[in-house]
Amino acid sequence: GIQVEQSPPDLILQEGANSTLRCNFSDSVNNLQWFHQNPWGQLINLFYIPSGTKQNGRLSATTVATERYSLLYISSSQTTDSGVYFCASLDVGSQGNLIFGKGTKLSVKP
Amino acid sequence: DGGITQSPKYLFRKEGQNVTLSCEQNLNHDAMYWYRQDPGQGLRLIYYSQIVNDFQKGDIAEGYSVSREKKESFPLTVTSAQKNPTAFYLCASSILLGTGELFFGEGSRLTVL
Repeated sequence: GIQVEQSPPDLILQEGANSTLRCNFSDSVNNLQWFHQNPWGQLINLFYIPSGTKQNGRLSATTVATERYSLLYISSSQTTDSGVYFCASLDVGSQGNLIFGKGTKLSVKP
Repeated sequence: DGGITQSPKYLFRKEGQNVTLSCEQNLNHDAMYWYRQDPGQGLRLIYYSQIVNDFQKGDIAEGYSVSREKKESFPLTVTSAQKNPTAFYLCASSILLGTGELFFGEGSRLTVL
């Protein structure tokens, strides 16, 4: 099945800093999504982005499907951005199995 | 408000007991999913359902069972056959199987004593 590699695994930022999180995929990407998990465990869908670029406030994401990677940009980070960020893509040949990376743990310090 | 409701949020179980986790959605989504998350790990798929009365095994279905008798409901039973059931369980839904955004409930944390 598809392998999803996220980098960096951990990231510490000072409030106000910008950051880029990356996902690499071992096979063709399909139904690619980014999620944020807050410290209480709630997972929020940030972007559904099988290709191209989307922006939502201070967050934006870009997927280059032909090169099998996706980037999540966080600008002017805030302490509320802390948590774990996951990317996921449908497994090869699967209709329902979204494969998740192990996540990037972000800590934003005041 | 539309969303996914999971219950209970916290559950303690003795070894050898079955336990059922509830998942209800009012988003009118056809597809529903159960994931398991272990500390420091990503999510792994247990079961998914495309439509009422239909469900498929995911990557780690052994020791789990599900039913889908109503569109809104997709309960997960953790049986005594599951060797390491202590984990965080997340229910999710999407408008159609493998299509569109995946929305999650708040999760159920199961601890086996």
